[in-house]
Amino acid sequence: GAGVSQSPSNKVTEKGKDVELRCDPISGHTALYWYRQSLGQGLEFLIYFQGNSAPDKSGLPSDRFSAERTGGSVSTLTIQRTQQEDSAVYLCASSLWTSGGGEQFFGPGTRLTVL
Amino acid sequence: QKEVEQNSGPLSVPEGAIASLNCTYSDRVSQSFFWYRQYSGKSPELIMSIYSNGDKEDGRFTAQLNKASQYVSLLIRDSQPSDSATYLCAAQYSSASKIIFGSGTRLSIRP
Repeated sequence: GAGVSQSPSNKVTEKGKDVELRCDPISGHTALYWYRQSLGQGLEFLIYFQGNSAPDKSGLPSDRFSAERTGGSVSTLTIQRTQQEDSAVYLCASSLWTSGGGEQFFGPGTRLTVL
Repeated sequence: QKEVEQNSGPLSVPEGAIASLNCTYSDRVSQSFFWYRQYSGKSPELIMSIYSNGDKEDGRFTAQLNKASQYVSLLIRDSQPSDSATYLCAAQYSSASKIIFGSGTRLSIRP
């Protein structure tokens, strides 16, 4: 596809369940980013990948959060034992690293609701 | 802690006027700066990037960077109601680092 895609677009889960969120970046983009945005708030950085490695995981809120990227393409963000405060929109973005990574293209997001 | 600061607004500007959005950043060695626009319920989209001191123009948008004063601004000429959105300023401190987003300024263009 032409843009960044994310799935599912909406996810409703019960507290304590695990969820997996998927991001498919733009073809050829080596850098991939995960952010979280709560209602009316700014972007909260979670993690970024350069290729398959994650140089900066500093934004992951707790050890319940993990992410991986395989084949330099698709990435999965996993949240274990979800809590109500995990409810937010999870955004993925990708960029060409040759641009320094700042010119990012965002996917439509996954809206996560934890009941 | 490297930070990017923006006035949250809302900033209300009459249609046809110039909207001026400002952003300050805390780290003198930052290299690259970006403006993103986010419509309500949508994802951010890149409007402009700026890397050198001075002005950079793209259509109705002008980004201004002053590294000595550590501020970056975005001017929108001939503001339209469709410009009503939240504008996010972002800074990148080195080519190998993540970018830091400000919390955004909500802009409202009144007809």
